[in-house]
Amino acid sequence: KAGVTQTPRYLIKTRGQQVTLSCSPISGHRSVSWYQQTPGQGLQFLFEYFSETQRNKGNFPGRFSGRQFSNSRSEMNVSTLELGDSALYLCASSLGYGRGYTFGSGTRLTVV
Amino acid sequence: GNSVTQMEGPVTLSEEAFLTINCTYTATGYPSPFWYVQYPGEGLQLLLKATKADDKGSNKGFEATYRKETTSFHLEKGSVQVSDSAVYFCALSDQSGGSNYKLTFGKGTLLTVNP
Repeated sequence: KAGVTQTPRYLIKTRGQQVTLSCSPISGHRSVSWYQQTPGQGLQFLFEYFSETQRNKGNFPGRFSGRQFSNSRSEMNVSTLELGDSALYLCASSLGYGRGYTFGSGTRLTVV
Repeated sequence: GNSVTQMEGPVTLSEEAFLTINCTYTATGYPSPFWYVQYPGEGLQLLLKATKADDKGSNKGFEATYRKETTSFHLEKGSVQVSDSAVYFCALSDQSGGSNYKLTFGKGTLLTVNP
């Protein structure tokens, strides 16, 4: 059974640019959530989608957005990149509450 | 909001030593605790979980019991191996209000096991 697939694995962008990250969940998982991991702030929740609807959103500026498609694949977009957006972005999928979340390997974004 | 406090590392042990990583939390609703492990350069892997009070999760020799009265979910392993070297995260999902549908993580504990 394929795991959670995130693309690309690595990305280098320049300040002011925008970026789109992709996540394909485990087949049958309809919940997809995104997390940002940095050495200073640790793991922080960005947002969660279920059946194309955002059900929860973390405390991030509006430059961070996401969406989910009918096949449960999800994308997140960061506009007007800042140096502080450099992080590992992790996507997780789940069957439901209490079932645990399966994480992808992440996308390492570096903003220069 | 919810919060997770776990023992800060780094923790350095010799092979076959006993491991404990403490984790306590505050939650407003009906929490479910988890332990995740992150190996260098990788994402998070679910290590074990609990869904109700006094549940004991176990996997690969690791164990943790969900103690509702002390709001704790301490991770233990009787005999660690070099391959257990990684960062361990305690996490919580909570089916209430703004905490719904997300995990709240502790800061992580770096474990290094020497041969």
